[in-house]
Amino acid sequence: NAGVTQTPKFQVLKTGQSMTLQCAQDMNHNSMYWYRQDPGMGLRLIYYSASEGTTDKGEVPNGYNVSRLNKREFSLRLESAAPSQTSVYFCASSVTVLEAFFGQGTRLTVV
Amino acid sequence: RKEVEQDPGPFNVPEGATVAFNCTYSNSASQSFFWYRQDCRKEPKLLMSVYSSGNEDGRFTAQLNRASQYISLLIRDSKLSDSATYLCVVMTTDSWGKFQFGAGTQVVVTP
Repeated sequence: NAGVTQTPKFQVLKTGQSMTLQCAQDMNHNSMYWYRQDPGMGLRLIYYSASEGTTDKGEVPNGYNVSRLNKREFSLRLESAAPSQTSVYFCASSVTVLEAFFGQGTRLTVV
Repeated sequence: RKEVEQDPGPFNVPEGATVAFNCTYSNSASQSFFWYRQDCRKEPKLLMSVYSSGNEDGRFTAQLNRASQYISLLIRDSKLSDSATYLCVVMTTDSWGKFQFGAGTQVVVTP
């Protein structure tokens, strides 16, 4: 049972480089999320997609773009990485408001 | 002010003891409440939902106090495996579908 799969698990970028974090879920969930987690800050919502074809900004969307490619996949793009984007990124999905299922996270360092 | 606040701890608990901690939320439109557990360098996972009347799941008891706007988690007969960070999660009617996370309370159970 794969659940929510994120790639890559680790990444080091130089300032100004771009990259896309991939997320896929096999649970037929409508809602998908991208969070970042920083020490002492908890998880903060970057973008949210309630269903295929829709996306909505969360608490900290600046510097990020997303694509809900289909029901399964929700990608997060950093166009020009900055050191402030060093964080752990989690993708999650849910079918109801009762529970979110998380991927294993991507540890991103921007130098 | 953060919408969801938690004492970061750590709460150092002898094995077999009881530990309890709270989470306060600022938005009176909050409707759904959860406790998630996050092990070190792992993804968050749902521990339990919190119902208005309070609820138990084995050694874990969750309570909701709407008047004072806080939820609590009590762990009885603590096990070494209970060592983790416990995340308080709230969903509000004006941001339905978006989970809002507290920064977490760290619990360390010692032999």
